[in-house]
Amino acid sequence: DTVMTQTPLSSRVTLGQPASISCRSSQSLVHGDGDTYLSWLQQRPGQPPRLLIYKVSNRVSGVPDRFSGSGAGTDFTLTISRVEAEDVAVYYCMQSTQFPHGGYTFGQGTKLEIE
Amino acid sequence: EVQLVQSGAEVKKPGESLKISCKVSGYNFATYWIAWVRQMPGKGLEWMGSIYPADSDTRYSPSFQGQVTISADRSINTAYLQWSDLRASDTAMFYCARVNAPFGDSSRAHFDFWGQGTLVTVSS
Repeated sequence: DTVMTQTPLSSRVTLGQPASISCRSSQSLVHGDGDTYLSWLQQRPGQPPRLLIYKVSNRVSGVPDRFSGSGAGTDFTLTISRVEAEDVAVYYCMQSTQFPHGGYTFGQGTKLEIE
Repeated sequence: EVQLVQSGAEVKKPGESLKISCKVSGYNFATYWIAWVRQMPGKGLEWMGSIYPADSDTRYSPSFQGQVTISADRSINTAYLQWSDLRASDTAMFYCARVNAPFGDSSRAHFDFWGQGTLVTVSS
């Protein structure tokens, strides 16, 4: 399987300040079609996961524009430009490029808290 | 509106069987893969397997192959996850999710809609 490694695993951020989460894959996520199938999900406490970003940087409709994704190859970042209270959640990266041999794999999750 | 509505929480004993469901609406059920994802207490997300309802093509994670069975009933737009011999270690939250994959190519996918989850507790 393709291993997805997130850092940090936990982060405390002051309201209004930026936050960033890194995700590194054990294999390149560049697909044969030239795109990269790396997505980011948010899981608020007691809620199911919610898709925020797909194909590295495409924000889902309705997701605030303070969320952005970047990266290429094996290194990716989710950035929140100004953290709000509602952003308290666990964030996961997920890859599909390596399916089926590498399965669908998720990062371990990064817990974002407010200071 | 796309919706995935899962069956309710279950409490079972070791050795029992169980089938949980995920009923979808708001899109053509047959033409999107449905994935099942496990989340053990306090832990992260693990893909278990997926099914393509149009032809019941099913793929399993090696970690779950032989441990669970995924199926679908197109007549009622419902996907299922079942166990024949539950263990205490199966205690977890289980989510179904729609796999958005252009032309059904699962290597180009993201999980765009999720069910609310079904909590399964296995205890003697």
